[in-house]
Amino acid sequence: QVQLAQSGADVKRPGASVTVSCKASGYKFTAYYIHWIRQAPGRGLEWMGWINPNSGGTTYAERFQGRVTVRTDTSTNTAYLDLSSVTSDDTAVYYCAKTDPLGSWADDWGQGTRVTVSS
Amino acid sequence: QSALTQPASVSGSPGQSITISCTGTSSDVGSFNLVSWYQQHPGKAPKLLIYEVTKRPSGVSARFSASKYGNTASLTISGLQAEDEADYHCCSYGGSRRWWVFGGGTKLTVL
Repeated sequence: QVQLAQSGADVKRPGASVTVSCKASGYKFTAYYIHWIRQAPGRGLEWMGWINPNSGGTTYAERFQGRVTVRTDTSTNTAYLDLSSVTSDDTAVYYCAKTDPLGSWADDWGQGTRVTVSS
Repeated sequence: QSALTQPASVSGSPGQSITISCTGTSSDVGSFNLVSWYQQHPGKAPKLLIYEVTKRPSGVSARFSASKYGNTASLTISGLQAEDEADYHCCSYGGSRRWWVFGGGTKLTVL
């Protein structure tokens, strides 16, 4: 069965960078997009970006442009989210999600990674 | 402020039906038949309930149905059960620049 296993919780100081990993198993990693979505405490879901593991192509939400990088390591079937210059507004649970072949909906989700930004 | 508008909360008694609305614009919900709905229990990851406006993945109960009219999508849960108590999120494709836009989520309380 499809599994997306994310890295553990992390605490960062303002201005630091954070990396969240997402190791996929149970399907052909390069055949499906990986999206990253976050959820701030008590808030709704917010789309951050996607990567096509086959081509390496990416698209990011405008509000994160310049601060976010999504990458993959196809040798380990792992996707990564890098977010730089974090502030308290970046405190959230970060999810990776596998989509349908065209990237239109998320049919499997990771368990989430809590990132706390605090001085 | 979320791109799609959902009611903050809805409630219903066991056995009843409820509907959650999700209002967007002609640039997202109104332009694409790519609305999806997700159920999220406290402390858990979202789970896909509906995709392509009306389709249910295998394993999702037929008590969950959905539709779209104009810029508004709707999720209906019939025969409410205690385990339906959760947050529900709508999502629409918003074009190649915005890709996915989400609603703010609706908390369903089963009385």
